[in-house]
Amino acid sequence: EAGVVQSPRYKIIEKKQPVAFWCNPISGHNTLYWYLQNLGQGPELLIRYENEEAVDDSQLPKDRFSAERLKGVDSTLKIQPAELGDSAVYLCASSLGRQGGSGELFFGEGSRLTVL
Amino acid sequence: QKEVEQNSGPLSVPEGAIASLNCTYSDRVSQSFFWYRQYSGKSPELIMSIYSNGDKEDGRFTAQLNKASQYVSLLIRDSQPSDSATYLCAVCPGGDDKIIFGKGTRLHILP
Repeated sequence: EAGVVQSPRYKIIEKKQPVAFWCNPISGHNTLYWYLQNLGQGPELLIRYENEEAVDDSQLPKDRFSAERLKGVDSTLKIQPAELGDSAVYLCASSLGRQGGSGELFFGEGSRLTVL
Repeated sequence: QKEVEQNSGPLSVPEGAIASLNCTYSDRVSQSFFWYRQYSGKSPELIMSIYSNGDKEDGRFTAQLNKASQYVSLLIRDSQPSDSATYLCAVCPGGDDKIIFGKGTRLHILP
């Protein structure tokens, strides 16, 4: 079974440019998470989806970040315009959610963003 | 106050010894607790989950939970160099599927 797939793996952009990250979760996983991880820090939640509904986006900087999960499967995270401080690894994770009973997250390989 | 606290380390342990990693959390109603391992440059992977007070053993790993003290720990017996990684404590506060991570503890197993 395929795991969580993210793209691109690496992205280098200049500040004020837009960038988008894509995530395909494990088949059947209703819950999808986007986390941001800075070097030496733990993952910080940006947004969580239950199917196509964003149920927790309280930590998403909505002035520049947006996300969508059309049809409750793939998801896209966008930053526009990017700032120097956005340089980080953006992790997508999926889980069965409460219906699965475990709450265990499966992570993609991450998208490393460098803003120059 | 941080919701999930871990000592960032690094924690250095001789090969073959027991490594002990600790985590405290602030939300008393938390129900689910997880330990993830993250190798440098890689994504976190789940190694243990624990839901009730006491110990849970899986191979060389033992998770311990004390809800009264709001404390969860991970013991790694017979530590191997391949155990060198950052260990992330994660907590599900309850009521939904929000998962909150600590900063992680860097573990270094000395050959």
